[in-house]
Amino acid sequence: GQQVMQIPQYQHVQEGEDFTTYCNSSTTLSNIQWYKQRPGGHPVFLIQLVKSGEVKKQKRLTFQFGEAKKNSSLHITATQTTDVGTYFCAGWARMNYGGSQGNLIFGKGTKLSVKP
Amino acid sequence: DVKVTQSSRYLVKRTGEKVFLECVQDMDHENMFWYRQDPGLGLRLIYFSYDVKMKEKGDIPEGYSVSREKKERFSLILESASTNQTSMYLCASSWSGGGREQYFGPGTRLTVT
Repeated sequence: GQQVMQIPQYQHVQEGEDFTTYCNSSTTLSNIQWYKQRPGGHPVFLIQLVKSGEVKKQKRLTFQFGEAKKNSSLHITATQTTDVGTYFCAGWARMNYGGSQGNLIFGKGTKLSVKP
Repeated sequence: DVKVTQSSRYLVKRTGEKVFLECVQDMDHENMFWYRQDPGLGLRLIYFSYDVKMKEKGDIPEGYSVSREKKERFSLILESASTNQTSMYLCASSWSGGGREQYFGPGTRLTVT
């Protein structure tokens, strides 16, 4: 079945260092979403990418969708302690051509810790 | 702001008990979902619903059932709780159409002893 792999599983960085998490799908995706879950919290939607090769930025966060729409990345520049949490990608693929049915498949997440 | 609420933040039940987890959303979303989250396993979809009285199995439906009698409410039922159902349960909702972003509730941490 469809799978979304996310690496690394854990990342420990010093405050100020950059951080990147990668997401790879076994199938072509219609869109990819990114969520952040703070410790003790619930996943919160960050952004959605739809177009091949799309790049979007939110302050220090840069999101990319691959040309083949099978991979994506999230890059954080100069991490801060407020970036701590688990980042999930979630890929959506249509079950049938032209239909609206499909499954949102979540990666297992990358847990980011930031040392002050 | 979208608000998704869950009936309990923490719940402790005994093996064999019937357990009800309730989820309510206030944004008139058509789609609702139940996930469980376990360390190292990420989010796994249990059941989802595209409309009132409709339900679809997710990846791990065994041991669970759901009920959606009203659009805003989606219930997860553990018919006979077992210790391997100890987990964090997250409810989510979204607008209709494919691939829409999901809004999550705060979660219920269920412990089955």
